[in-house]
This record gives sequence, structure tokens and C-alpha cells, in this order.
Amino acid sequence: DSGVTQTPKHLITATGQRVTLRCSPRSGDLSVYWYQQSLDQGLQFLIQYYNGEERAKGNILERFSAQQFPDLHSELNLSSLELGDSALYFCASSGASGGMELFFGEGSRLTVL
Amino acid sequence: GENVEQHPSTLSVQEGDSAVIKCTYSDSASNYFPWYKQELGKGPQLIIDIRSNVGEKKDQRIAVTLNKTAKHFSLHITETQPEDSAVYFCAATFGRAGSYQLTFGKGTKLSVIP
Repeated sequence: DSGVTQTPKHLITATGQRVTLRCSPRSGDLSVYWYQQSLDQGLQFLIQYYNGEERAKGNILERFSAQQFPDLHSELNLSSLELGDSALYFCASSGASGGMELFFGEGSRLTVL
Repeated sequence: GENVEQHPSTLSVQEGDSAVIKCTYSDSASNYFPWYKQELGKGPQLIIDIRSNVGEKKDQRIAVTLNKTAKHFSLHITETQPEDSAVYFCAATFGRAGSYQLTFGKGTKLSVIP
């Protein structure tokens, strides 16, 4: 158990809809990262937050947004969903141990029909 | 941005044999190179990492080597066991100080045949 909690584990929705994925980082970790994992693209970095502030952006679509709240949990919002958004979305956290290791949650599997 | 190439994409070995996975990276400023193991239905988990000031690191049956000049690093697993079967990802850091991210390779699916 990495200590990172993601909900929901599975989500099925229709094109055009909006969903919110939630992540609770490990106790003490200030950084939260979101990654998208699809079959042919591996783990793609989406966005990083540090103590409530956006720190870096990767290949995140404009239809996607994220935030980190004062209690350090984070949410990834995906809107106007398309079939191609179907993927595993991972949250990872780091920082408390002082190293660069990322601790991943078990992911949220999104299926867009 | 950083680009990380990983080979092979699939690898099958007999139990007890060795497995080698290779990665190359593009950003010469990268200084941290972790390897993650992802088992079915789970998130990636760090198994070993190496920093740019070290050429080799070993932890029991796994080892990582780094060639900074050539910008490539490799994972070596010896005496493979069925429980080593998983997807392995290499990664390299990129970004500015205080705001590092990891760029991952596309993964290697390792199958250890009993």
C-alpha cells in the first residue's frame, strides 16, 4: 500500500460528459502529480501541484483541469469527454521523505462510451 | 521536453535467466533515473533508482547502470522468478530546480516462464 488513495477505481460515462477524479496523497507529501496511462502511450505527465499551487503542466488538454485543496487532496476534472479519453489516470505524491520517489495510487480507470 | 525511449516493449525469459531492459534519454540535465514495476491492476512502484553521480547500483537481484555520456541506462534482473513478471518503466527527470517531473518510457512487459 503506497498510502495514496484514488477514487473512484472505475468509472463509465458517455461522450460529452464531465467527471471528477479524486486523490488523497500520502501523509506529509506536499506534491501531487497526475498521469494518464493509455495502452500505446505509457505514462503521460499531465500536471503537478505543490502545496496548493500549480507547479508544472505537461500534456494536459484544455478540457482537463485540476486543483489541490488546503487539505492537500487533489481533484482532476475531465470535461467534454471523448472516446480517446478512456484511460487509467494515476495520481502520485512525493515530498515527505525528502527524496524524489513518486508514490502512485492504484489509479482510476475511465471508460468513455 | 524530455524524451525517454525504452526497449524492448516485450521480453520473455525462462525462470532463472537474466533480463535486461534499456532506456535512452534526451535531456543532458537529467540527474535522476528511477525504475518502476507495475503489476496488473496496481499503480507503478519504485524498485530501484540511480543518480547521475553514480554509474551502477545494485539491490539483491536487480541492478541499474548509467552511462551519462551516451545518455542511456539499463535495468538488469538476475535469476528471474515468476513474480518478476510485470510491466517495467524507466524514467528520467526534467524541469527546473524545485519543479522536477518524471518522463517515463513506454514500458516493457516482462514475462518469466516457469
